[in-house]
Amino acid sequence: DGGITQSPKYLFRKEGQNVTLSCEQNLNHDAMYWYRQDPGQGLRLIYYSQIVNDFQKGDIAEGYSVSREKKESFPLTVTSAQKNPTAFYLCASSPPGGARHGSNQPQHFGDGTRLSIL
Amino acid sequence: AQKVTQAQTEISVVEKEDVTLDCVYETRDTTYYLFWYKQPPSGELVFLIRRNSFDEQNEISGRYSWNFQKSTSSFNFTITASQVVDSAVYFCALIRMDSNYQLIWGAGTKLIIKP
Repeated sequence: DGGITQSPKYLFRKEGQNVTLSCEQNLNHDAMYWYRQDPGQGLRLIYYSQIVNDFQKGDIAEGYSVSREKKESFPLTVTSAQKNPTAFYLCASSPPGGARHGSNQPQHFGDGTRLSIL
Repeated sequence: AQKVTQAQTEISVVEKEDVTLDCVYETRDTTYYLFWYKQPPSGELVFLIRRNSFDEQNEISGRYSWNFQKSTSSFNFTITASQVVDSAVYFCALIRMDSNYQLIWGAGTKLIIKP
């Protein structure tokens, strides 16, 4: 079945450590997104990518980095510069539609990764 | 400014009651898109509906219905004859047409259906 796979489901980070969250999709979607969700809040966009080898910062990109070397994959690295990394991280993808550099189509989400500090 | 407000932080009803989740949005765009998503306890977000600003018809899908009113900038979601499986957090979202179509999310409404 087509879908988005995020791994791991739970992740623990030590002080000063970088950690990478995996996101893979087999939906053949061009656009991919990373969101952060804190308790009682909506989703906040970290980074997004409309096409391979291109990505843009979202609203809270500081302390995070991404790459988009393959259409199927959009890994997110939480660097040591991110001082408050504890959150639920969601990856999403969407098909093209509506604009050259964006999509008005629904986003499809993975199951999320819960990151905590040790 | 573009904004989505879900004023109801948490709603609790008894099974089989009807419940309405409110969503109020602000936008200067004349063309825009609104979405509703469901987030069950497992965590993944499930797409429920997309509505564009030109289509003001209300929509019904089984026990779910949506009331889109441009005059009041609202896109409310009603569940009829609620069931325990409807318990989840529900998010309303608006596309930012001036920023590569990124989504602005409401804070979500936690819906608890008691048996």
